[in-house]
Amino acid sequence: QVQLQQSGAELAKPGSSVKISCKASGYTFTSYYISWIKQTTGQGLEYIGYINTGSGGTNYNEKFKGKATLTVDKSSSTAFMQLSSLTPDDSAVYYCAREYPPFAYWGQGTLVTVSS
Amino acid sequence: DIVLTQSPALAVSLGQKTTMSCKTSQNVDNFGKSYIHWYQQKPGEQPKLLIYFASNLASQVPARFSGSGSERDFTLTINPVEADDVATYYCQQGWEFPYTFGAGTKLELK
Repeated sequence: QVQLQQSGAELAKPGSSVKISCKASGYTFTSYYISWIKQTTGQGLEYIGYINTGSGGTNYNEKFKGKATLTVDKSSSTAFMQLSSLTPDDSAVYYCAREYPPFAYWGQGTLVTVSS
Repeated sequence: DIVLTQSPALAVSLGQKTTMSCKTSQNVDNFGKSYIHWYQQKPGEQPKLLIYFASNLASQVPARFSGSGSERDFTLTINPVEADDVATYYCQQGWEFPYTFGAGTKLELK
């Protein structure tokens, strides 16, 4: 069965970076893009962008350019998202999802907390 | 970006029918499809796909859920409502990048 397993919660200091992972199983990893979505209480669900898991090509929501960097490791069927120059506004649950809408498969979410 | 507008909350009695709306700032119909998808999210869980392309029931979703609409006006219907349906429901447009979501409608029981 298709599964997307995300890495655990992160506590980070302002100005630092975090890298969260999304390990795919149950399907051919390079056949489907991986998308990333941010969820906060205040802003709801926001689409960050997607990565072509075969070529590594990316497409970012303008709002997240310079904030998020998407990469993949095909050998381990894992997608990564690095968030840089963290501020409290980056505190959120981040989800990976397979392909682009509609999202039939989601990871369980990774909580990122930015606090000094 | 395309803006999706949903009512913030809805209260309904068990066994009754409920409808919730999603209005888009632009027409999301193209190539004979409406690029609107609906998700259910319960606290502490990831969103779950319910309806895709406005009216198609996702796999293993009960037939109590249905979707309709076109162009800029879409509806999710639950009939009859069960206790397990207490959740927040989000619509999403998948036509234009970035793929935006509505703010969600929180369904509560009376």
